[in-house]
Amino acid sequence: SQELEQSPQSLIVQEGKNLTINCTSSKTLYGLYWYKQKYGEGLIFLMMLQKGGEEKSHEKITAKLDEKKQQSSLHITASQPSHAGIYLCGADITNSGNTPLVFGKGTRLSVIA
Amino acid sequence: NAGVMQNPRHLVRRRGQEARLRCSPMKGHSHVYWYRQLPEEGLKFMVYLQKENIIDESGMPKERFSAEFPKEGPSILRIQQVVRGDSAAYFCASSPLAGGRETQYFGPGTRLLVL
Repeated sequence: SQELEQSPQSLIVQEGKNLTINCTSSKTLYGLYWYKQKYGEGLIFLMMLQKGGEEKSHEKITAKLDEKKQQSSLHITASQPSHAGIYLCGADITNSGNTPLVFGKGTRLSVIA
Repeated sequence: NAGVMQNPRHLVRRRGQEARLRCSPMKGHSHVYWYRQLPEEGLKFMVYLQKENIIDESGMPKERFSAEFPKEGPSILRIQQVVRGDSAAYFCASSPLAGGRETQYFGPGTRLLVL
């Protein structure tokens, strides 16, 4: 079974619309990372969350980690074509500091004009 | 400061050949992680190394796969006698010296195609 579940699997939104991607686990997320991947390329780090209830924003992207540290959401405001790509959540579920991450399968976002 | 570098970016091998994938971590980073991305399966951890040491290889197949991170030079992921099922994107990530929870920065990946 997948340790990190992402939803939706894919999303098509019209330019200018808001959207939310979710990442859920049955285990505690001691460190939760959001990455963006363009097709055929590597992963670009977006944000990292550690504390329950933490929220971070960068430009039009906001990431939150719930109080229980088992769910995170990524919200994009006023989407643009440049936001298109695959969004991946990765997590440290062992609380061991520098450890390998487990990843969700990703959410494929398309933004249409 | 250059990011994580991987080469080659694309690699084509015939069944039975060897594949060598290289990863140069970011400057100042001493931790290297290798992940594999299969179509429709997401990223899976393979092996975690520090300079001259394998810390965790629990995600790496026991046969045909090996990894090293020598004192000098890049980290190498080696796949012997490749099979079609090895076709995937292989990503390397690096992070600084342990001292807390550090972000892993990823390279562009090596896309291996086994014919």
